[in-house]
Amino acid sequence: AQSVAQPEDQVNVAEGNPLTVKCTYSVSGNPYLFWYVQYPNRGLQFLLKYITGDNLVKGSYGFEAEFNKSQTSFHLKKPSALVSDSALYFCAVRDRAAGNKLTFGGGTRVLVKP
Amino acid sequence: NAGVTQTPKFQVLKTGQSMTLQCAQDMNHEYMSWYRQDPGMGLRLIHYSVGAGITDQGEVPNGYNVSRSTTEDFPLRLLSAAPSQTSVYFCASSYRTGFYEQYFGPGTRLTVT
Repeated sequence: AQSVAQPEDQVNVAEGNPLTVKCTYSVSGNPYLFWYVQYPNRGLQFLLKYITGDNLVKGSYGFEAEFNKSQTSFHLKKPSALVSDSALYFCAVRDRAAGNKLTFGGGTRVLVKP
Repeated sequence: NAGVTQTPKFQVLKTGQSMTLQCAQDMNHEYMSWYRQDPGMGLRLIHYSVGAGITDQGEVPNGYNVSRSTTEDFPLRLLSAAPSQTSVYFCASSYRTGFYEQYFGPGTRLTVT
């Protein structure tokens, strides 16, 4: 069965500092990997995804993520965080061999302080 | 395009009552799904559909029914509400499965007393 782990419930960072949100996954085959963001009282919004190819994926709002197959990780990064980046971030995985189900991690709350 | 719409936004039910959460999308997406979001547990898949007339169970299907008679609509039925079903429910759709990202509705906050 596929699974996703986000080891940090909350990440605190000062505005202007680099932001990293961690994600590790487990699938039986090769993964499709996604990051979503949720602002208060809103649905989830897609940020970026890894399909194949370059391990560094660039997405919306200046975010990027690095796929590491050996460490089964897909950490989300932003070089310089903004207060408006404060939100709940979810990593998700879909197994290419069993492609109908998308499994989400438990979410990481990011708080960017001015 | 309205995207993915959900009604109602809020609902309070008594234990044992039934209700239907509505979900519609106007993007001609084949894949639709229902999730519930509970604190600390992320989103858990309830049911999904890969096309009209086809549905399947997700991770937590008990107590819920779905049907997909049209491409646009994917209602979620609570058969006999229980306090454990108090949650925020999200409907999502995507062009297909695989590597296609999902578009989420605004959610329905359900309280069962």
